[in-house]
Amino acid sequence: EAQVTQNPRYLITVTGKKLTVTCSQNMNHEYMSWYRQDPGLGLRQIYYSMNVEVTDKGDVPEGYKVSRKEKRNFPLILESPSPNQTSLYFCASSTPGPAGEQYFGPGTRLTVT
Amino acid sequence: ILNVEQSPQSLHVQEGDSTNFTCSFPSSNFYALHWYRWETAKSPEALFVMTLNGDEKKKGRISATLNTKEGYSYLYIKGSQPEDSATYLCAFTSTNKLSFGAGTTVTVRA
Repeated sequence: EAQVTQNPRYLITVTGKKLTVTCSQNMNHEYMSWYRQDPGLGLRQIYYSMNVEVTDKGDVPEGYKVSRKEKRNFPLILESPSPNQTSLYFCASSTPGPAGEQYFGPGTRLTVT
Repeated sequence: ILNVEQSPQSLHVQEGDSTNFTCSFPSSNFYALHWYRWETAKSPEALFVMTLNGDEKKKGRISATLNTKEGYSYLYIKGSQPEDSATYLCAFTSTNKLSFGAGTTVTVRA
């Protein structure tokens, strides 16, 4: 089954404790990206990747890191989480690029206390 | 940050009625315009991606039009059904980024 998976689905953590949210897709898509969703603001792009080893900042990259060592995986890293990073996070992938239909993962609900 | 606006923010529709709503986006550096349907507790799902001025797409009772010169797209729902209740998101692609609007939440009353 073609899908995008994210783990964990829910996470409660404390300020400053490094965490990684994994994202994996099995559709051989080149383009992958991370979004956060906050009430009233819609989805905002954090980082995107055009292909392996090619990543770039979206609109709200501060406080986040990403890597793209393999085509299928695109983890989101929060080195020192803060309460303002409490949000719902979505990973998505598409082909042939950002103009392709985005396939979204199930979402990760993160709470930073 | 590219300014993508959707209106109205929410609307209520009687079952069987038709409705439409708008997505406005910058008319310069246009690459693609997306529409997604987002149901509560689920992930957004793609409805349409349009790239050419004048594009019209249709999927069942839902259709969309695109005007890249003036920077707007309409989504139409014909004969609304309760299962059409969802938030509809549009997204604008310019170069390699996607910018989403805040969505229009549609509630269909039986």
